[in-house]
Amino acid sequence: NAGVTQTPKFQVLKTGQSMTLQCAQDMNHEYMSWYRQDPGMGLRLIHYSVGAGITDQGEVPNGYNVSRSTTEDFPLRLLSAAPSQTSVYFCASSYWPLESGANVLTFGAGSRLTVL
Amino acid sequence: DAKTTQPPSMDCAEGRAANLPCNHSTISGNEYVYWYRQIHSQGPQYIIHGLKNNETNEMASLIITEDRKSSTLILPHATLRDTAVYYCIVRSPGDSNYQLIWGAGTKLIIKP
Repeated sequence: NAGVTQTPKFQVLKTGQSMTLQCAQDMNHEYMSWYRQDPGMGLRLIHYSVGAGITDQGEVPNGYNVSRSTTEDFPLRLLSAAPSQTSVYFCASSYWPLESGANVLTFGAGSRLTVL
Repeated sequence: DAKTTQPPSMDCAEGRAANLPCNHSTISGNEYVYWYRQIHSQGPQYIIHGLKNNETNEMASLIITEDRKSSTLILPHATLRDTAVYYCIVRSPGDSNYQLIWGAGTKLIIKP
């Protein structure tokens, strides 16, 4: 089991460039999500998905797009990168739905993005 | 979801028990308490969760007060590898978007 795999680990972009952060999981988790973490702060939810073809916005969705065509993959797209999007991005997944409190998030190792 | 309050930092000697407090005075009846930790620059890692009763697993113990307004995570024999930021989060299983509210957490430093 690889768990949650994120690529790339590091990326430097220029303002206005676009790119896609990849996230894949092999645990057959229905729920997948993207968080960003700025220095000294906790994680903030960007977008999430509860299954193929279903996505929704989190706390900070502006400037990001997502799609979910398969259970395994949940890419995050930056259409026109801005310096404010410099951050560490984490993908996380879990079983769904959450009838009990027992379903917990499994995180990837993170992708560090710098926008110049 | 209820908010939580944690001390920004704590020290603990290696081999001792590390006790990390968390206040969640506005917690509602169906909200669970979760603990995650984040070792430097890595993705957060789930530790333990509970509703009312105390819980223990191979990583830690979770003690929840009877009124559920606070809890304590206990690492029984802390090692240097337990140095991390520890996050206490409360959440209802009925929350439709599974949006955990992450604060700044407690930075735990284990000293030799």
